[in-house]
Amino acid sequence: DVKVTQSSRYLVKRTGEKVFLECVQDMDHENMFWYRQDPGLGLRLIYFSYDVKMKEKGDIPEGYSVSREKKERFSLILESASTNQTSMYLCASSLSLPGLLEKLFFGSGTQLSVL
Amino acid sequence: AQTVTQSQPEMSVQEAETVTLSCTYDTSESDYYLFWYKQPPSRQMILVIRQEAYKQQNATENRFSVNFQKAAKSFSLKISDSQLGDAAMYFCAYRVTGNQFYFGTGTSLTVIP
Repeated sequence: DVKVTQSSRYLVKRTGEKVFLECVQDMDHENMFWYRQDPGLGLRLIYFSYDVKMKEKGDIPEGYSVSREKKERFSLILESASTNQTSMYLCASSLSLPGLLEKLFFGSGTQLSVL
Repeated sequence: AQTVTQSQPEMSVQEAETVTLSCTYDTSESDYYLFWYKQPPSRQMILVIRQEAYKQQNATENRFSVNFQKAAKSFSLKISDSQLGDAAMYFCAYRVTGNQFYFGTGTSLTVIP
């Protein structure tokens, strides 16, 4: 089975801190994604990457950056954490296959609280 | 804009009964795929069922089936013989060309014993 691992299940940080959320997948997937999940808003795409060192902005990239130095690892960076970034963060990965049927594989999420 | 609407924030169903979760979407693309994901309390999102837009036949996976109405841009999920383990948040999503998925706001399903 594909495994997508997020380094922390719960994280508490202070306003202004630099925060790193790590995600690792073990199935050689080309595509990796970072979503933010908030009640009543569903999942919103922050950034995605379709190859090493490649990244694309999603719907809400402001205040975030990403890094993909190796194929299996996709990091989300909050340069200066703010209270409005308190949220559940979900990492996902998928293969790049012809057609669009390929599904997303998700990690278990990181609940980030910024105080 | 690509949007997915789940108009039922919460639903409940009696164990062993049938429940339908609604989903509508808006896209100008002709080629796309539709998905239902389940997020139980463990937070691990799991794919429930998927449907190719070009297929007229509705997808089924055991107790889960969809009612896909392409002209109406509707993609509802039917859960038959509901079980306690079906209790979760359900997200409707679709994918068009490119790698991006678009998700709805979710429906929280409670199963009553």
